[in-house]
Amino acid sequence: AQTVTQSQPEMSVQEAETVTLSCTYDTSENNYYLFWYKQPPSRQMILVIRQEAYKQQNATENRFSVNFQKAAKSFSLKISDSQLGDTAMYFCAFGTSGTYKYIFGTGTRLKVLA
Amino acid sequence: KAGVTQTPRYLIKTRGQQVTLSCSPISGHRSVSWYQQTPGQGLQFLFEYFSETQRNKGNFPGRFSGRQFSNSRSEMNVSTLELGDSALYLCASSPGLAGDSYNEQFFGPGTRLTVL
Repeated sequence: AQTVTQSQPEMSVQEAETVTLSCTYDTSENNYYLFWYKQPPSRQMILVIRQEAYKQQNATENRFSVNFQKAAKSFSLKISDSQLGDTAMYFCAFGTSGTYKYIFGTGTRLKVLA
Repeated sequence: KAGVTQTPRYLIKTRGQQVTLSCSPISGHRSVSWYQQTPGQGLQFLFEYFSETQRNKGNFPGRFSGRQFSNSRSEMNVSTLELGDSALYLCASSPGLAGDSYNEQFFGPGTRLTVL
């Protein structure tokens, strides 16, 4: 069975600084996807970034980038130039290729300080 | 395109009652998944429907059921409600097609169910 672990329940960062959220996972699958979702206080889950396991290149979306270490089963999210609007719960999720059954981590509550 | 919509947004029920939640996926999406979110258990997968058929199921008791209609709208039903069923129920939609290279799900705003 797959598991996803987020070891940082809460983090804070100063506006304009950089922060890294950690995620590790366990699976015996070879074809899978990893995701970071953001859930602001308004609670709508929004996809931040996605990584296909077969791609060695780390995904990047504007200020958001990941450090994907497949052998170590690690998938961290780096947020550069943090903004107040980045304040939210961040969930790491695992999905086996071809299915829509996501396994979520417990989340990291990120607070960006002015 | 309109996003995933869920109704109602808030619901209060008492123990022993049953409840039905509704989810309308993004136009053209044929896969609908349901998740339960609680402070204690986090986000847990309930089930996924594709073309009116349940394709995947999580580890929830039989009191939790769902269905999908020909227009891809989905409902989930919880019978004999328990206090522990109080949660945010999230629906997510995807194209759901074989060869869908993104595996991405788009989430709705959720239905907050409170069981008294």
